[in-house]
Amino acid sequence: GQNIDQPTEMTATEGAIVQINCTYQTSGFNGLFWYQQHAGEAPTFLSYNVLDGLEEKGRFSSFLSRSKGYSYLLLKELQMKDSASYLCAVLTDSWGKFQFGAGTQVVVTP
Amino acid sequence: NAGVTQTPKFRVLKTGQSMTLLCAQDMNHEYMYWYRQDPGMGLRLIHYSVGEGTTAKGEVPDGYNVSRLKKQNFLLGLESAAPSQTSVYFCASSNWDSSAEAFFGQGTRLTVV
Repeated sequence: GQNIDQPTEMTATEGAIVQINCTYQTSGFNGLFWYQQHAGEAPTFLSYNVLDGLEEKGRFSSFLSRSKGYSYLLLKELQMKDSASYLCAVLTDSWGKFQFGAGTQVVVTP
Repeated sequence: NAGVTQTPKFRVLKTGQSMTLLCAQDMNHEYMYWYRQDPGMGLRLIHYSVGEGTTAKGEVPDGYNVSRLKKQNFLLGLESAAPSQTSVYFCASSNWDSSAEAFFGQGTRLTVV
């Protein structure tokens, strides 16, 4: 079967760094995506990895190891507005089908 | 630029009633999707479409039907609503290119009583 695992919740202090891990076992792999979802809102795209290595976009970085079925999202210099759910998603085929993890709720405290 | 628009935003149905959720995108995307999101379960794919006139089943298609008569619109129908279909429904669209990111609508909160 297909499985995407990520922690349910993480808490960190404003200004700190948090790393959200995601492990996956899927029938196909065409890329790994991270989305941010604030409560009551739609998911919004954060980052995308298709090759192994680190992708950096401002305060957010994402890493992928295809051989290990592993990715992480790194949030630096945390701000209160970063309190949200972070969804790990695998693009499983060339028709644009995504398999989503259940999401990691990040709580940023003052 | 509106992006992906879903209507309605909220709806309460009685068991056995029917309804249609409308999704419209103005980005000329080929692919469109309907997901449901339930607490602790993440987004699950209901049905999807890879182009005008095409539809395919996703992970949880039972109890739902879809149509894509126009490229910009993707309709999700519930023929006989059940309490198990109480959920938040998200529509999304994308193009299969180097980025392939999906753009989501704001969601429809559906309660079946």
